[in-house]
Amino acid sequence: DTGVSQNPRHKITKRGQNVTFRCDPISEHNRLYWYRQTLGQGPEFLTYFQNEAQLEKSRLLSDRFSAERPKGSFSTLEIQRTEQGDSAMYLCASSLTGDFYGYTFGSGTRLTVV
Amino acid sequence: AQSVTQPDIHITVSEGASLELRCNYSYGATPYLFWYVQSPGQGLQLLLKYFSGDTLVQGIKGFEAEFKRSQSSFNLRKPSVHWSDAAEYFCAVADTQGASKIIFGSGTRLSIRP
Repeated sequence: DTGVSQNPRHKITKRGQNVTFRCDPISEHNRLYWYRQTLGQGPEFLTYFQNEAQLEKSRLLSDRFSAERPKGSFSTLEIQRTEQGDSAMYLCASSLTGDFYGYTFGSGTRLTVV
Repeated sequence: AQSVTQPDIHITVSEGASLELRCNYSYGATPYLFWYVQSPGQGLQLLLKYFSGDTLVQGIKGFEAEFKRSQSSFNLRKPSVHWSDAAEYFCAVADTQGASKIIFGSGTRLSIRP
């Protein structure tokens, strides 16, 4: 297992288009987290899954954002009707329940909305 | 709610000089604290963590941090920096309720002067 994988690495889209990102966690990790990082800021929590259940969503996650984790494996994050303010790095992390030692991040997907 | 503050947005030090990056946290109980490093375009790498016990913790790449409850601080130190240490550094605290997510500070960008 080579760690947390995110695809694509970069995405440029026109305002109003929909985009989808994928995260493949470490295989034995049951928790998966999505964070958003804007320029000059630290990562901000968006949502997390335990297995296939989405258990918490940040108020940052507007109705245009949806995340899924079918079968408790990979996860997708979709943004509908993108806006310029959505431009950011979207980071995925995975861990075992309650295991802060093993909280592992992917390299992220950089979204640019033009 | 838990939070961390990194008062220094950008620090420049000379190669070979000592380094201290400041971090203050807000949390009622004994916090779980972390320092992460992020190189340009990359994900986050854990440098070190504090959960309990010895208040001086050693991490990777020659970094250490000291937990001071009386000052609500968890400052990161390195006795002699290398040009390869230039990166963004994030202090973080774990939210041990609910999602067990990690909450990040806004980061300190470290530049190294040759």
